[in-house]
Amino acid sequence: DQQVKQNSPSLSVQEGRISILNCDYTNSMFDYFLWYKKYPAEGPTFLISISSIKDKNEDGRFTVFLNKSAKHLSLHIVPSQPGDSAVYFCAAGGGAGSYQLTFGKGTKLSVIP
Amino acid sequence: GAVVSQHPSWVICKSGTSVKIECRSLDFQATTMFWYRQFPKQSLMLMATSNEGSKATYEQGVEKDKFLINHASLTLSTLTVTSAHPEDSSFYICSARKTSGQQETQYFGPGTRLLVL
Repeated sequence: DQQVKQNSPSLSVQEGRISILNCDYTNSMFDYFLWYKKYPAEGPTFLISISSIKDKNEDGRFTVFLNKSAKHLSLHIVPSQPGDSAVYFCAAGGGAGSYQLTFGKGTKLSVIP
Repeated sequence: GAVVSQHPSWVICKSGTSVKIECRSLDFQATTMFWYRQFPKQSLMLMATSNEGSKATYEQGVEKDKFLINHASLTLSTLTVTSAHPEDSSFYICSARKTSGQQETQYFGPGTRLLVL
């Protein structure tokens, strides 16, 4: 049973446009969410996180939106740059003192120059 | 951000040998570290949670006698793949949990690619 779902395996966006990556979760115990960026043969790089008490968190070109009622979060990258091309993983954690993260399967973003 | 290192970055070994992978948090102390495995084109799969000074907690389906974890200090966790076989070939990634006030984040190492011949 997949508790964190990224339903789009890939996404292509023109440079300068907005990239929107989506993530859905099923476990209502999750209370914080993170986005990681990953290049092939490298470890994930932390991008941005959001606590369940917030509905938006912004850091430079990256904004994460959380809709708790819909159990949905999204990562917006604007403007998109070719260097943003990578696999993006959504992760969720928390609840009952659990520090473990549950990852989605990732979305491969390609930013076209 | 915080820095987590892994060593070695890649290793090739013969079937039946044991391989040790180190994970270090370089600029913070981590009471909890995690070991993941990633197969090609798949997500990260949590193998075990490593707690400083106590036994690791393994996920279902992960053989604890095959994947030995030692978290001897607040900055070092090791994963030893014992009697490695070709099916153990994979990309192993560690992460370290950092807390700052109410915020907690996992920072990942660069990964170790293991190829068992």
